Amino acid sequence: DQQVKQNSPSLSVQEGRISILNCDYTNSMFDYFLWYKKYPAEGPTFLISISSIKDKNEDGRFTVFLNKSAKHLSLHIVPSQPGDSAVYFCAASAANSGYALNFGKGTSLLVTP
Amino acid sequence: DAGVIQSPRHEVTEMGQEVTLRCKPISGHDYLFWYRQTMMRGLELLIYFNNNVPIDDSGMPEDRFSAKMPNASFSTLKIQPSEPRDSAVYFCASSFGSRGPTGELFFGEGSRLTVL
Repeated sequence: DQQVKQNSPSLSVQEGRISILNCDYTNSMFDYFLWYKKYPAEGPTFLISISSIKDKNEDGRFTVFLNKSAKHLSLHIVPSQPGDSAVYFCAASAANSGYALNFGKGTSLLVTP
Repeated sequence: DAGVIQSPRHEVTEMGQEVTLRCKPISGHDYLFWYRQTMMRGLELLIYFNNNVPIDDSGMPEDRFSAKMPNASFSTLKIQPSEPRDSAVYFCASSFGSRGPTGELFFGEGSRLTVL
């Protein structure tokens, strides 16, 4: 069973606009959340993370928001650039499961000029 | 400095053959993970090691899969016998974490396996 869900397989956004990628989780024990970015034929690379004690973390153009009551997090990219076109994976971990990362299936983002 | 190194990058084999995938983690990292990526299931954790010791192998699909980490700089994932449904991209990742692997994982470029 998928404990981390990314319900949008794909998203298309115009350059300069905001990209919002969503992620839902079911395990209330998750206490750390991460976003990874993946280009074709490469491994995923870490983008940004957030601890469950926070509700927002910002790093340049990337901001992650966490809503624990809704078991929902989102990644905002502002402004979006063509180089942001990639697959984005949401991941979560819990102390009681050895902190192993559980990944969603990914959302493919296309930023058009 | 080298990242996580996986080999082979591509493997095409016939059903029933043995497949061995290899991984060299980043020097100094004490956690090593094997993930499998498929369209249907996304990125699945197969097994992970801490200080060369397997910690959780509950994601290993069946007895045909086995993983070893004989030392801190090398790990293998073996499939014997292979089946067409094993076709996927297999990723190795490593991390350094004293509290646990809560932080960033560094992934290799993956090994794309095709079983005919």
